[in-house]
This record gives sequence, structure tokens and C-alpha cells, in this order.
Amino acid sequence: QVQLVQSGAEVKKPGSSVKVSCKASGGTFNTDPVSYAINWVRQAPGQGLEWMGGILPMFGKTYYAQKFQGRLTITADQSKGTAYMEMSGLRAEDTAVYYCARETPSGTYFFDSWGQGALVTVSS
Amino acid sequence: QSALSQPASVSGSPGQSITISCTGTSSDVGRFNLVSWYQQHPGKAPKLLIYEVTKRPSGLSDRFSGSKSDNTASLTISGLQAEDEADYYCSSYAGSSSVVFGGGTKLTVL
Repeated sequence: QVQLVQSGAEVKKPGSSVKVSCKASGGTFNTDPVSYAINWVRQAPGQGLEWMGGILPMFGKTYYAQKFQGRLTITADQSKGTAYMEMSGLRAEDTAVYYCARETPSGTYFFDSWGQGALVTVSS
Repeated sequence: QSALSQPASVSGSPGQSITISCTGTSSDVGRFNLVSWYQQHPGKAPKLLIYEVTKRPSGLSDRFSGSKSDNTASLTISGLQAEDEADYYCSSYAGSSSVVFGGGTKLTVL
């Protein structure tokens, strides 16, 4: 089964941007015959899970939660088997663990594999 | 979309059964059979328990089961074990390629 490995923790200033990567170890996206999506979910300290958006790497199609429209960009590089989540205009309340999660196949809206999470701390 | 509603906490003794509810609306839980459940231990990533309301991933214990009635989905854990102590989250497809999670329920095994 494909495992998702994320980049490390980040500390950012308010107003700046952060880019978190999520690599599919064991193969690139396009060696998997099943079309799947990579979603991003975040969890603020002591809080619940919050869905942010996702991408279908095979087609480059993206979709975002309304709350993050305009601040969130999700991309994928199929040749590297890696997806990216970039958020701009960071605020203190964006401090959270950011997870990538695989949806297999796409359109099923459940997440069977998760990355280990990347802590993003926004502080002046 | 608003988060799905879950009880903040539930508890049970080893061997007992517990049920966690997840209440949404006719636009999410009530409309689609795309409810899933996740277990999360402290400091760990969530783990899929149930998908499409009632289905279990291969290899998962049959002590975990899911159901749905109208706008409310439920997760039942039978034969409670100490290692079941964790946070549990429901989620549902909410239309327009969007997903909504519940607020989470902390399960304490007494």
C-alpha cells in the first residue's frame, strides 16, 4: 500500500506563506492504475479535524473548502509522486498539524491512508 | 458547511458496547451514503474505521460497525478494549466535492 510521507515542521511569521509536501513512497502517482485524490486536513491544537481541499493528480483537478478559497493552493507533480499544500496570508489561528490523506478511488470521499502530519506554527 | 455534531465524550467498561452518534443535515449525512469514521490516538494520524456508512477496511476488527438513519450516522464499538480509548471522528460528503467532519468524540474506557 502506498504510504504518504510529509515534509517537516515549519515556523512562520503572520502574513507569510507555507508550503507542505506529501510524497507517495513506493511509487509515483501514475503507476497506480486507480485514479485517486490527495486531500488535505488540518487539526489545530486540541481541536478536531477540518477538511481543506484536494486534488486529483492524474487530472490536476482541484477543489477547496469555501473557507480557504483564495488562500489555499493545492498542486501535484506526478513525476515526483508528490502533492503540495500552500497557504498564504498566515494567521495565528492557522497554527495546526496539516495532514495529507489519500482518497481511493477518487469520488468516494473517505481517506484510507494518511501522512504523518506536519506542524505549522504561526507566530511573530 | 457546519461541522457534523458528535457528543464530546462517551465512556464504557471493557467488554461493553458503546455507540457514538454523528448528526448532520439533509444536505450531507441524510443525502449521501458517504459517511466514514476515523480513530485517532494522541499524537497520531487518524485511521480509517468505516467507510460508505457500513463498510470496514480489509483486516479491521468486526467489533467496529456503522449505520445510518435519516440525518444521523452511528459508530458502534462492541467488546470494548483498553486500546479503543481514543478520539473518534465522523465525516460525510457534503456535495460539490466537499467533505465535512464532526467535532470529534473522546472515548474513555473505564
